[in-house]
Amino acid sequence: EIVLTQSPGTLSLSPGERATLSCRASQSVSSNNLAWYQQKPGQAPRLLMYVASNRATGIPDRFSGSGSGTDFTLTISRLEPEDFAVYYCQQYGSSPYTFGQGTKLEIK
Amino acid sequence: QVQLQQSGPGLVRPSQTLSLTCAISGDTVSSNKSAWNWIRQSPSRGLEWLGRTYYRSKWNEDYAVSVKSRITINPDISKNQFSLQLNSVTPEDTAVYYCTRNLGLWGQGTLVTVSS
Repeated sequence: EIVLTQSPGTLSLSPGERATLSCRASQSVSSNNLAWYQQKPGQAPRLLMYVASNRATGIPDRFSGSGSGTDFTLTISRLEPEDFAVYYCQQYGSSPYTFGQGTKLEIK
Repeated sequence: QVQLQQSGPGLVRPSQTLSLTCAISGDTVSSNKSAWNWIRQSPSRGLEWLGRTYYRSKWNEDYAVSVKSRITINPDISKNQFSLQLNSVTPEDTAVYYCTRNLGLWGQGTLVTVSS
């Protein structure tokens, strides 16, 4: 199965700053079928991006995704207070689908 | 508007079977555009995809390696829902369980505790 490694584990930034989150796969993700999720305490994960760079419905354009093969990035251009949460990547290109361990984005 | 409503017990005894149901509204379980998944989340294991069922001319299922010998995901066309059964549970199976449609639609989550 494909192992996804996210870095950093924790990212401390201030509102207005730019956030860059990384997701590295142990082998190439088929068709770049890589999704990003945001999760806040007590809530289910919320889909942000699919096929690496496509924003899900209703996601603000300050969120962008890039990458291919084994290296993927989620960028938040200017952090808003509501963006501080935990972010997960998931590959769904080959079964079993797998998740990364998450990056916690916290207020500095 | 598509919605998923989970139901099932919050406490399961060790060695017993965990059973959860996900009722679908606004879509059909036999849609050839949807795949119906179970995912769980625990502090020790993080987010873990367990498996899925989907219809593409015939019914298909696939499962995570970690639970493959213990899991069954079944569609129920008559009730427009799908279910999760996980056999021989241990305290390691304690988690919040989610049903999902494809990537973007998640149920409300069910905390299942395995304890005597």
